Amino acid sequence: ELKVEQNPLFLSMQEGKNYTIYCNYSTTSDRLYWYRQDPGKSLESLFVLLSNGAVKQEGRLMASLDTKARLSTLHITAAVHDLSATYFCAVVKSGAQKLVFGQGTRLTINP
Amino acid sequence: DSGVTQTPKHLITATGQRVTLRCSPRSGDLSVYWYQQSLDQGLQFLIQYYNGEERAKGNILERFSAQQFPDLHSELNLSSLELGDSALYFCASSVGASGGYPTDTQYFGPGTRLTVL
Repeated sequence: ELKVEQNPLFLSMQEGKNYTIYCNYSTTSDRLYWYRQDPGKSLESLFVLLSNGAVKQEGRLMASLDTKARLSTLHITAAVHDLSATYFCAVVKSGAQKLVFGQGTRLTINP
Repeated sequence: DSGVTQTPKHLITATGQRVTLRCSPRSGDLSVYWYQQSLDQGLQFLIQYYNGEERAKGNILERFSAQQFPDLHSELNLSSLELGDSALYFCASSVGASGGYPTDTQYFGPGTRLTVL
């Protein structure tokens, strides 16, 4: 059974600092997604990572994928308050279509 | 706005009742997925339909059922409701089913918050 684990689950940081969220998964996957969710809202797609070594960047967020280690990272650079949200990674098992989500990382960025 | 619509936004009902949640996918998307989000279980995949046919099943209870209609909208039916069914139910849509589209990102609707009293 495919399992996806994120850490940390809670992260409180100051504006201007850098930090990384980690996403580990247990079996071979076709692709990995990162989503953002604001409180009480829907999930917004941030990145899709398809292959080993893939790196995607959007603003202050950068995601990478190491398929050999079954690890993805979401790096936040010079955090700003607007990035406060819960971030989920989700993995699609090879040959399947359903998303298996991590527990989510609740990120709070303080002024 | 993802282009996926869900109704109703909120639903409050009593134990033992039956409700229907509705989802319209993005224009051009053939796949519809249902997910349940709760505090204790997190985000869990329930079921997927592709072009009217069931394609994959997840942790969906026997009391729950779904279908996708010829116009591609989908309904999730929840019956004999229990307190533990209270959750946020999301619908998502994507272009393909599996393997046909390399990225095939799933776009999520705004969700239906179900409260069972």
